[in-house]
Amino acid sequence: AQSVSQHNHHVILSEAASLELGCNYSYGGTVNLFWYVQYPGQHLQLLLKYFSGDPLVKGIKGFEAEFIKSKFSFNLRKPSVQWSDTAEYFCAGYMDTGRRALTFGSGTRLQVQP
Amino acid sequence: DTAVSQTPKYLVTQMGNDKSIKCEQNLGHDTMYWYKQDSKKFLKIMFSYNNKELIINETVPNRFSPKSPDKAHLNLHINSLELGDSAVYFCASSPTTTGWNGYTFGSGTRLTVV
Repeated sequence: AQSVSQHNHHVILSEAASLELGCNYSYGGTVNLFWYVQYPGQHLQLLLKYFSGDPLVKGIKGFEAEFIKSKFSFNLRKPSVQWSDTAEYFCAGYMDTGRRALTFGSGTRLQVQP
Repeated sequence: DTAVSQTPKYLVTQMGNDKSIKCEQNLGHDTMYWYKQDSKKFLKIMFSYNNKELIINETVPNRFSPKSPDKAHLNLHINSLELGDSAVYFCASSPTTTGWNGYTFGSGTRLTVV
């Protein structure tokens, strides 16, 4: 079955460190990919999305992600994290299988220490 | 003006009770969803409606019944609440039938069954 997986469950970084969160999907067809962020006690907000075109996508708050089709990956990056980036990060994919809904990864909890 | 609003934000209730969660979106979107987020932050789709028509009905207990009086509203009614129903329930909406371009989420309803 089609799926989205995030292998980093909990990441702890110091402020100013660089961030890379992994996301892989399993589907050979067309896929749209998203990263959402959920700050403590809040709802999910869209960070960035990829549909087609330039595989390097820039989002809000200095985040970017790179779609690598050969690796079925869509990793999220930020060159220098801040304490305010502490949150849960979800990768999600829409795959044209007829399911008509996004499939979410299990989330990565990012903890940034001051 | 909140795009996707859910009420109540918090709900504490006893086992066996019946409760409802309401969701309204003012984005003019055609499709609305209910997701359940468990204690491990995993997001699982429950239902989706497109213009008042049920599209997705995942394997959830019959005690959960969605109702969509119009395309701007999607409510969730839960009968005979159980301890395992404790979770955060998110409503979301999408301008497309399939959700291929992502969702806008509500702020969530934290349900605690005691």
